[in-house]
Amino acid sequence: GENVEQHPSTLSVQEGDSAVIKCTYSDSASNYFPWYKQELGKGSQLIIDIRSNVGEKKDQRIAVTLNKTAKHFSLHITETQPEDSAVYFCAASGKGQAGTALIFGKGTTLSVSS
Amino acid sequence: GAGVSQSPSNKVTEKGKDVELRCDPISGHTALYWYRQRLGQGLEFLIYFQGNSAPDKSGLPSDRFSAERTGESVSTLTIQRTQQEDSAVYLCASSLTSGGEQYFGPGTRLTVT
Repeated sequence: GENVEQHPSTLSVQEGDSAVIKCTYSDSASNYFPWYKQELGKGSQLIIDIRSNVGEKKDQRIAVTLNKTAKHFSLHITETQPEDSAVYFCAASGKGQAGTALIFGKGTTLSVSS
Repeated sequence: GAGVSQSPSNKVTEKGKDVELRCDPISGHTALYWYRQRLGQGLEFLIYFQGNSAPDKSGLPSDRFSAERTGESVSTLTIQRTQQEDSAVYLCASSLTSGGEQYFGPGTRLTVT
């Protein structure tokens, strides 16, 4: 089955710097790769996603890149702000009928200091 | 509009008791998912519903866990004879269709003492 590895587990940056979180997956059949932001006391919010028919997607300060050959995908946050501090989870479609259930990485705790 | 809601938000129970966790998905979403998140870990898939049917129960950790969905809406996750290792946040997500974006509820924090 699918296995997702996420690195780093913690990441500390200065406000204004960029942050990059990387994930690898094992199942070449996976075709959907979302990123979720989890803040204390709040639910997990989808912040960006990418499907296997594209290599890059951008939404303002957030971008995701996908390398299908290498089976890895990355989240890029530019011009980080203190409110970006949260736990970020990557996921890949893997289990369930039509591979719709998500397999998650273990999360990256991002701390942005001002 | 209303998002995914879950109740209770917190549940403390004694080892050996049964618990029921509820999920109300976004109206019209046909797919519903249950996940579990242990402290410091990622989310583990438990079970998936398409309509009222559960085509994939492969993530349920033991036969003490069961779930049902009625009216293509609300779902309940039941854990019988709870154990301390069941302590986790139980998250529900729904999507408009299978394979679509999943929207998560706030979770139920279960503590088994």
